[in-house]
Amino acid sequence: GAVVSQHPSWVICKSGTSVKIECRSLDFQATTMFWYRQFPKQSLMLMATSNEGSKATYEQGVEKDKFLINHASLTLSTLTVTSAHPEDSSFYICSAATEETQYFGPGTRLLVL
Amino acid sequence: GDSVTQMEGPVTLSEEAFLTINCTYTATGYPSLFWYVQYPGEGLQLLLKATKADDKGSNKGFEATYRKETTSFHLEKGSVQVSDSAVYFCALSVVGAGGTSYGKLTFGQGTILTVHP
Repeated sequence: GAVVSQHPSWVICKSGTSVKIECRSLDFQATTMFWYRQFPKQSLMLMATSNEGSKATYEQGVEKDKFLINHASLTLSTLTVTSAHPEDSSFYICSAATEETQYFGPGTRLLVL
Repeated sequence: GDSVTQMEGPVTLSEEAFLTINCTYTATGYPSLFWYVQYPGEGLQLLLKATKADDKGSNKGFEATYRKETTSFHLEKGSVQVSDSAVYFCALSVVGAGGTSYGKLTFGQGTILTVHP
């Protein structure tokens, strides 16, 4: 079946630093990937839609300059949290889309101290 | 806009009990409907889906029927197991061009299910 990986699985960083999260589709190509944020005991909130070779489309209220998304190839999308602050601590999940559904990565837990 | 409302949790059941998790939706288009499951420490996995009215999705003993008249997609299982303990998310995606349903997903708030032996 389709597998999506994320790296790192968890990261702790100091306030003000930047963190990059990678999302890879391991055995299929995905022209579209999605980035979600999940707060404890809450649903997934879509942050942005990442399209290979073009700029990402951000949802309302998501700061594009803070959450930089790059979709450099059909199997890789990256999310960079710039100048991270404690309120950015969360669980970040990516998914890669096929024509039938989305396949989700295992998530990356970010803790900003 | 599109939205999904799920039954409030958490839900606690004994093994072999009957499970129902309610899900209703509102959508501007003609959505496809999904149930995803998130086991502890893992990512979301597609459990089942239905793409048109009266379709029944099924997998691992779980079932859900796409009811357009009541805008519902309730999840059911006749006999739950301890291994079914997880968070269940109902979601919709409005059909994209060419009949594909890979558009962005709108999720419900999730329902935590705990099954005791």
